[in-house]
Amino acid sequence: GENVEQHPSTLSVQEGDSAVIKCTYSDSASNYFPWYKQELGKRPQLIIDIRSNVGEKKDQRIAVTLNKTAKHFSLHITETQPEDSAVYFCAAHSGGGADGLTFGKGTHLIIQP
Amino acid sequence: ETGVTQTPRHLVMGMTNKKSLKCEQHLGHNAMYWYKQSAKKPLELMFVYNFKEQTENNSVPSRFSPECPNSSHLFLHLHTLQPEDSALYLCASSQGVEWGYGYTFGSGTRLTVV
Repeated sequence: GENVEQHPSTLSVQEGDSAVIKCTYSDSASNYFPWYKQELGKRPQLIIDIRSNVGEKKDQRIAVTLNKTAKHFSLHITETQPEDSAVYFCAAHSGGGADGLTFGKGTHLIIQP
Repeated sequence: ETGVTQTPRHLVMGMTNKKSLKCEQHLGHNAMYWYKQSAKKPLELMFVYNFKEQTENNSVPSRFSPECPNSSHLFLHLHTLQPEDSALYLCASSQGVEWGYGYTFGSGTRLTVV
């Protein structure tokens, strides 16, 4: 089955700086890669996703890049703000099957004022 | 509310108890999922239902028993649990199980087994 590795487990950045979270996956058949944000005590929420036929996708201050050859994808947050503090999870979905998403272990992003 | 409602929000049960978790979605989705979230571990997929048929059982112990009477409702029946089963249990739904559909999660049930 799919295995997703996520790094770092904790990331602390100064407010206004950029943050990058990286994930690798094992199943070359995976073709859908969403990112979820989970604030303390709340549910995970989808913030951006990318499909395997696209190399990059951007939505305001967040962007995701995908390298299918290397089997890794990354989340980029620019001009970080205090409300960006949360745990971020990457996930991968193997194409065509009835499996659910396989998630990474999460990255605790801390925005320092 | 995001359209996926889980009850109860918190549950404390003894190892010999029987209890059930409930999930309901009002999004018209066809697929529903149970995930377990423990500290320091990734979200672990437990069960997948598509059009109320179970399509995935991710090697979950039989003390967890899912039920999906229709596409809008999903239950997780619990019996003779162990302390290590204490976790946040999250329900999610999506338009389908095929790739490309994002999940909408419920708020979860925080389960403590004593």
